[in-house]
Amino acid sequence: EAGVAQSPRYKIIEKRQSVAFWCNPISGHATLYWYQQILGQGPKLLIQFQNNGVVDDSQLPKDRFSAERLKGVDSTLKIQPAKLEDSAVYLCASRPGPRPFQAGELFFGEGSRLTVL
Amino acid sequence: AQSVSQHNHHVILSEAASLELGCNYSYGGTVNLFWYVQYPGQHLQLLLKYFSGDPLVKGIKGFEAEFIKSKFSFNLRKPSVQWSDTAEYFCAGDSGGGADGLTFGKGTHLIIQP
Repeated sequence: EAGVAQSPRYKIIEKRQSVAFWCNPISGHATLYWYQQILGQGPKLLIQFQNNGVVDDSQLPKDRFSAERLKGVDSTLKIQPAKLEDSAVYLCASRPGPRPFQAGELFFGEGSRLTVL
Repeated sequence: AQSVSQHNHHVILSEAASLELGCNYSYGGTVNLFWYVQYPGQHLQLLLKYFSGDPLVKGIKGFEAEFIKSKFSFNLRKPSVQWSDTAEYFCAGDSGGGADGLTFGKGTHLIIQP
């Protein structure tokens, strides 16, 4: 079974530029998450999708971050304009759905490392 | 707010030593708890999980964790570590609703010296 795919793996930009990250979850997984992991910290949830709808985006800095999952499969996370403090690894994760017995086990991609200069 | 805290940010052990990494959570009601591991250059992988039932859960690679409700703890243990256990370990939890994203602790960087 193919895992969660993310691209690009690495990106270096200057502040005020824009960047986009792409994620393709495991086939059939209805729930998709974007996490931000700053060096030395644990992953922090940015946004959660259930199919193509947003379930939770309370921690997404909406003045500069946006995300979409238009067809309920792959997803894009965009940052515009980027700030120095956005330097982090952006992790995409998925899981089959909200059924309790499958709750919680997230499958992670390898992440996209962003450096903002 | 729901939170997960890990006590030790950096741990250095020698091979064959016993390991215990602390994790405390602040959820009320139903809680699901997890330990994830991130080996150097790799993605986060599930070590073990607790949903309900037996509070002592066993995971991959000889790891286990004990859910102690009275102490709001879910400590990770391994009786004898190996050099290959060098990694970042994250405790995480959710409220059991099924659609919630996980809340992670800050992680523990474990270094095993040969």
